[in-house]
Amino acid sequence: AQKITQTQPGMFVQEKEAVTLDCTYDTSDPSYGLFWYKQPSSGEMIFLIYQGSYDQQNATEGRYSLNFQKARKSANLVISASQLGDSAMYFCAMREGNTGNQFYFGTGTSLTVIP
Amino acid sequence: EPEVTQTPSHQVTQMGQEVILRCVPISNHLYFYWYRQILGQKVEFLVSFYNNEISEKSEIFDDQFSVERPDGSNFTLKIRSTKLEDSAMYFCASSVSSLTGELFFGEGSRLTVL
Repeated sequence: AQKITQTQPGMFVQEKEAVTLDCTYDTSDPSYGLFWYKQPSSGEMIFLIYQGSYDQQNATEGRYSLNFQKARKSANLVISASQLGDSAMYFCAMREGNTGNQFYFGTGTSLTVIP
Repeated sequence: EPEVTQTPSHQVTQMGQEVILRCVPISNHLYFYWYRQILGQKVEFLVSFYNNEISEKSEIFDDQFSVERPDGSNFTLKIRSTKLEDSAMYFCASSVSSLTGELFFGEGSRLTVL
């Protein structure tokens, strides 16, 4: 089974609108961390936001928020007030608590912001 | 802001040649990683390194691959005899802890095997 599933290969959003990028995960480890990374066309991987499995509140970082639904095993990224510079690939990733060494990445979602 | 640096940014090599990719992790980080991303595909884990030894490796990381930290600052990935399918972007990453906190990635080294 895939550890991280991103079902949206491509998404479009109008500038200044909000967009949700979906991510579901699979683990039996009670302790884990969920991450979102942005990969612009230049190729680098930029950390956006982190959610720990024991965190009670959804993580937020500026225009990014993580809609964490533990029972559904989903960790969707919400980008508010989209900007042209948000156009990029977005990867959801998970690190399991007991091993911790390996990050599992999803296949990514390509986001295009339309002016 | 401290960052992970990687060299070279792009390397072209002939099949069968040895390649060394270099990385300088963030100085106070303890855990080091190599990932690769074949063009248009997802990021795949290769190996993690802690306390001067490999702590975990994937099936991709076979006998053709090796890592070392020769001088306390550099972290290298060596591919002994490159194959066409080794063409990919190779990312070095580091983290403070193995249990919490994000991975900090370098900008990647693009390897093209001809």
